[in-house]
Amino acid sequence: GAVVSQHPSRVICKSGTSVKIECRSLDFQATTMFWYRQFPKQSLMLMATSNEGSKATYEQGVEKDKFLINHASLTLSTLTVTSAHPEDSSFYICSAVQGGLAQPQHFGDGTRLSIL
Amino acid sequence: DAKTTQPNSMESNEEEPVHLPCNHSTISGTDYIHWYRQLPSQGPEYVIHGLTSNVNNRMASLAIAEDRKSSTLILHRATLRDAAVYYCIPFSGAGSYQLTFGKGTKLSVIP
Repeated sequence: GAVVSQHPSRVICKSGTSVKIECRSLDFQATTMFWYRQFPKQSLMLMATSNEGSKATYEQGVEKDKFLINHASLTLSTLTVTSAHPEDSSFYICSAVQGGLAQPQHFGDGTRLSIL
Repeated sequence: DAKTTQPNSMESNEEEPVHLPCNHSTISGTDYIHWYRQLPSQGPEYVIHGLTSNVNNRMASLAIAEDRKSSTLILHRATLRDAAVYYCIPFSGAGSYQLTFGKGTKLSVIP
């Protein structure tokens, strides 16, 4: 159980393109979803926290107008990287939590974004 | 957030037990201890968590020191598929559910 599906797994596109990444909880309803970014040989850095039906909370230094997050339902959150540039190339990972005390996060397999 | 200290890297022979240590001396009394691992080019995977008592599941065992300032993740028989970066994360378990990932321990398994 507790499967999180993330699509696409890899994107290669030109500079200036907007890219949408989907994160779905397949067998549970997620009260909260998270978006992380991971650069090579570094650890995961939290970008934003998303609750269904409300605006995402962004971490310091993350541009909310560049990284648009929509959490339309209890099973789907999307991250759109708008007007992507080479410095946005990274490994983007989502996670979802079902809720309840100390419940673990369940992670997607990540999206490798490469901007040419 | 409570700070953690883990070895940067460890090696284990295949089919041998592995003990991955974590120091979290500033952990609060209500923080759970979560362990995740990340295989190459994948998202992290939940391994186990506990509060005070030792815990076992199909993946691993978690031994928590009596003073809760350290814990040890135990893989009973390492396989090549266990080669990953292992993260120990104190977690308040209430409110935001946020996790703060440190650098973790990179475990290499030698055939």
